[in-house]
Amino acid sequence: EDQVTQSPEALRLQEGESSSLNCSYTVSGLRGLFWYRQDPGKGPEFLFTLYSAGEEKEKERLKATLTKKESFLHITAPKPEDSATYLCAVQAGTSGTYKYIFGTGTRLKVLA
Amino acid sequence: DTAVSQTPKYLVTQMGNDKSIKCEQNLGHDTMYWYKQDSKKFLKIMFSYNNKELIINETVPNRFSPKSPDKAHLNLHINSLELGDSAVYFCASSVNRATIYFGEGSWLTVV
Repeated sequence: EDQVTQSPEALRLQEGESSSLNCSYTVSGLRGLFWYRQDPGKGPEFLFTLYSAGEEKEKERLKATLTKKESFLHITAPKPEDSATYLCAVQAGTSGTYKYIFGTGTRLKVLA
Repeated sequence: DTAVSQTPKYLVTQMGNDKSIKCEQNLGHDTMYWYKQDSKKFLKIMFSYNNKELIINETVPNRFSPKSPDKAHLNLHINSLELGDSAVYFCASSVNRATIYFGEGSWLTVV
């Protein structure tokens, strides 16, 4: 069964304390892996798309990487404004029969 | 110039009522979606339309009916609301079924 698992479920960091969030997946026919940020009371905001193992994307303090089994979202020297829930999603399947599967997210709290 | 907009943002209604949530996207995307997010933040797809044609219809009660009058609109109508329908409903869109862009959500509370 296709599955996306994120860990940890929650993470508290001190400002400046770098860490990584994990998204592991078991799917047939990976087409893409997506990272989103969700603030309370808001919709998920797109961050990155990764398509193949070895690919990396960066944006400010965030860097996403992809292997054949998992993706990491590395947060370097986080600030309180990075506090949010980070969601991972996988698009899988063949042409015409694809699907998106979301993980349950990692709630990140960065303390000043 | 909101990309994906949905209304209403908050909706409190009684069990048994019928309600609709409207969604519009101005991104020129060809695919639109409805997702349900439960209290544990799990996002589950309900429906997807591509060029006004239903392409994904997950196992949801038939009390939920999507309607797409054109490529830029996808409305969600819910009949005979139940307590368990309380959740946040997100409309979203994408082009070529790639990156999905979400609206701000509609908080539905059934009392």
